[in-house]
Amino acid sequence: SYELTQPPSVSVSPGQTARITCSGDALPKQYAYWYQQKPGQAPVLVIYKDSERPSGIPERFSGSSSGTTVTLTISGVQAEDEADYYCQSADSSGTIRVFGGGTKLTVL
Amino acid sequence: EVQLVESGGGLVQPGGSLRLSCAASGFTVSSNYMSWVRQAPGKGLEWVSVIYSGGSTYYADSVKGRFTISRDNSKNTLYLQMNSLRAEDTAVYYCARSNSGSGFDYWGQGTLVTVSS
Repeated sequence: SYELTQPPSVSVSPGQTARITCSGDALPKQYAYWYQQKPGQAPVLVIYKDSERPSGIPERFSGSSSGTTVTLTISGVQAEDEADYYCQSADSSGTIRVFGGGTKLTVL
Repeated sequence: EVQLVESGGGLVQPGGSLRLSCAASGFTVSSNYMSWVRQAPGKGLEWVSVIYSGGSTYYADSVKGRFTISRDNSKNTLYLQMNSLRAEDTAVYYCARSNSGSGFDYWGQGTLVTVSS
């Protein structure tokens, strides 16, 4: 079955830039999405179609894509950004959705 | 305002069945792609199933043949019929809206399913 691979954890100091990667063989053909999840809450969409930002999401959140890897970048990280982040995409058929294993962002 | 409210979770014995509901407001379920996503305690997100606006359905390998996704257009409600439940199905189950290219843009608050004897 298709898998998306994320690093388990990323740590940054406030004001620095955090980069979270997600790799998968079908990413050149399928869009990627990113979700933020804080403890006890439902996930929130922060990036769609690789690099688009939904309304209400701060500009410090951005996404990019290169080959089989997509990257979520958080510029000027704030304490409130500490959360789990998940990438999501689909297999090559586009019908089976998949989530990455999640990355815990720690703001030091 | 878009809202999704899940219900139907609870404690069930292994091998048992449960039906989850997701009542939607602020949009039409039948005009959107609707999915179920679950999260086992302390674990990551796992996509479970999707029903397209045209009625096509797809499932994760882990639930295929045991779970059935459906909707009632008159009630604007999404369902997940879960049969032959296993301990590893224990999770918070979320319903979520998506469309082609939009990602899961709205989520419910989740309902907890516990499979245990």
